[in-house]
Order: sequence, then structure tokens, then C-alpha cells
Amino acid sequence: NAGVTQTPKFQVLKTGQSMTLQCAQDMNHEYMSWYRQDPGMGLRLIHYSVGAGITDQGEVPNGYNVSRSTTEDFPLRLLSAAPSQTSVYFCASSITGSNTEAFFGQGTRLTVV
Amino acid sequence: AQSVTQLDSQVPVFEEAPVELRCNYSSSVSVYLFWYVQYPNQGLQLLLKYLSGSTLVKGINGFEAEFNKSQTSFHLRKPSVHISDTAEYFCAVSYTGTASKLTFGTGTRLQVTL
Repeated sequence: NAGVTQTPKFQVLKTGQSMTLQCAQDMNHEYMSWYRQDPGMGLRLIHYSVGAGITDQGEVPNGYNVSRSTTEDFPLRLLSAAPSQTSVYFCASSITGSNTEAFFGQGTRLTVV
Repeated sequence: AQSVTQLDSQVPVFEEAPVELRCNYSSSVSVYLFWYVQYPNQGLQLLLKYLSGSTLVKGINGFEAEFNKSQTSFHLRKPSVHISDTAEYFCAVSYTGTASKLTFGTGTRLQVTL
């Protein structure tokens, strides 16, 4: 039972490079989201999706793009990496609803040099 | 704006001692509250949640939390901690009408030593 799978686990980028963080879930959850985790700041919502074809911005969306072409996949794109995007990124999925449990991936540790 | 405050960034405690991790949230008409735990180099997993009903909620690994509406608090407690409880603990809140959007606190690092 895979749950939420994120790839890669680690990545080093040079400033200005682009890349895509992959996220896939096998629980048929409608709701998916991306967070970044920084020391002393907890988890902050970047983008989220309530279903295929529907995405919206979270608290810190600048510099990131998302798309949701299928229920299973929710990739996060960094358009032009900056050192400020050095962080640990988590993807999560859940049944849509304010009272539901979120299931998290193992995270991607990204360093931008 | 919705907010969650975890005042203690670190809590050191000896094994078998009790512990309380504090969480306060901004007031709202209807709120759901969660505690998640993150073990080193892992993702987050749910410890417990408050949706409605009894204000004392029991979770996994012997943890419990009490919802206090008048004080807008949802403190996490365990009567006797183990070394394996060393982890980071996050309080989170969601509000009705916001789909599954969670607002997290800044986290509390629980360090259990012998």
C-alpha cells in the first residue's frame, strides 16, 4: 500500500534552473496539496487541488506552478529556482472535507545553490 | 486570518515523565483540530483529531488532547513518555468551508532523554 509517493527524495539545483517535484497517490483522494517546511515556520501551503483540472494558490505560491491532469498525480514545478526555495517539500492527499485526515509523502529535500 | 500558535519550540523531558505540548488557535465558529507527529526524516502522520463531541480525544501511542473552546486551546498530553516519542509535533486547524486546507503551527520538538 504505497499511499503518497514523492520523488526525488533529495535534489540540488543551481540558481535559475527549473525542475518538477513529483507526487502520486493511490488512495483515490480528490484533495491534494503541497507544503514547504522551513525551520521555525512549520508547514506552509504552496498550492492545492480539489480535483482533476482544479488548482488554487495557498499561502506561499510565488515561484511555483502546479497542474492536476489526473486524480493520482499532482506535480510541483519550480520555474527558476532561487536560494529562498531551499526547503523540504511535502505533498499530502485527503478525502475532500475540513474534518479529514491528510496523508503525507516522505518529503523532498531541495537545496538551491 | 487563521493561525495556530505553538509557543514552545522545544520541550526536553526525561523518559517516563509526563509532558504537555501547548497549542492555541485563532477563534472561529466551527473548527477542527489535529495533532501530527513527524519522526526524523519522515513525513507527518496523524496522532489524533478533534471534530466534535467529547472534548478529550485519545490518539495513538498513548497521547491525548483536550479541546477547550473558551481558551481556544488544544493541548497535547502524555502521562509517561518514551525515548521513541522523540519527534516534532505539529498542531493544525481547519475550518468548515475550507475544503481540506490545514493551517499548521510552527511545531514543537519533543526531546526525550534517559
